[in-house]
Amino acid sequence: DIVMTQTPLFSPVIVGQPASISCRSSQSLVDSDGNTYLNWLQQRPGQPPRLLIYQISKRFSGVPDRFSGSGAGTEFTLRISRVEPEDVAIYYCMQAAEFPDTFGQGTKLEIK
Amino acid sequence: QAQVVQSGTEVKKPGASVKVSCKTSGYTFSSYGISWVRQAPGRGFEWIGWISALNGNTNYAQKFHDRVTMTRDTSTTTAYMELTSLTSDDTAVYYCAPEVGWWGQGTLVIVSS
Repeated sequence: DIVMTQTPLFSPVIVGQPASISCRSSQSLVDSDGNTYLNWLQQRPGQPPRLLIYQISKRFSGVPDRFSGSGAGTEFTLRISRVEPEDVAIYYCMQAAEFPDTFGQGTKLEIK
Repeated sequence: QAQVVQSGTEVKKPGASVKVSCKTSGYTFSSYGISWVRQAPGRGFEWIGWISALNGNTNYAQKFHDRVTMTRDTSTTTAYMELTSLTSDDTAVYYCAPEVGWWGQGTLVIVSS
């Protein structure tokens, strides 16, 4: 199975400041169709997960443009340009390049 | 936008089975596969398996392959996940996640004697 490793696991940030979360996969996530199936999920307290970013950098419907994704191969990053109070959540990377889908451990974003 | 609505909380005894439904709307059902994922209390996500909404083909995680059955009904655009031989370790919130991107709200399954 592909192992997904996130850093940091905890991120205290100041409102209005940027935040960044890294994710590394144990093998390439490039599929045979040439796409890279790396997603970022947001899970607010007591809520179901919400897809933020798919295929490394594509923002899902309704996601604010302060969220962006980048990376290639096995190294990926989620960035929030200016953190808002409603961004308090746990963020997960996940790969859907091959079965079984696997998830990072999660990064808890809190307001400092 | 798509909507994904799951069935409600289930409380089961050890050894019993549970069947969770996932009703979808707002997109072409047969164009997207559906994954099932669970999250135990205070834990991360665990992938259970996937079903093609087009032809019903499935792929199950090795850990669940002898206890899980995923089906779908194209007439009602609903997917189902049945898990048998439940133990307390199966207590979790179960999510369906169609590849269209929208996730269900989750179904809490509690296994307790």
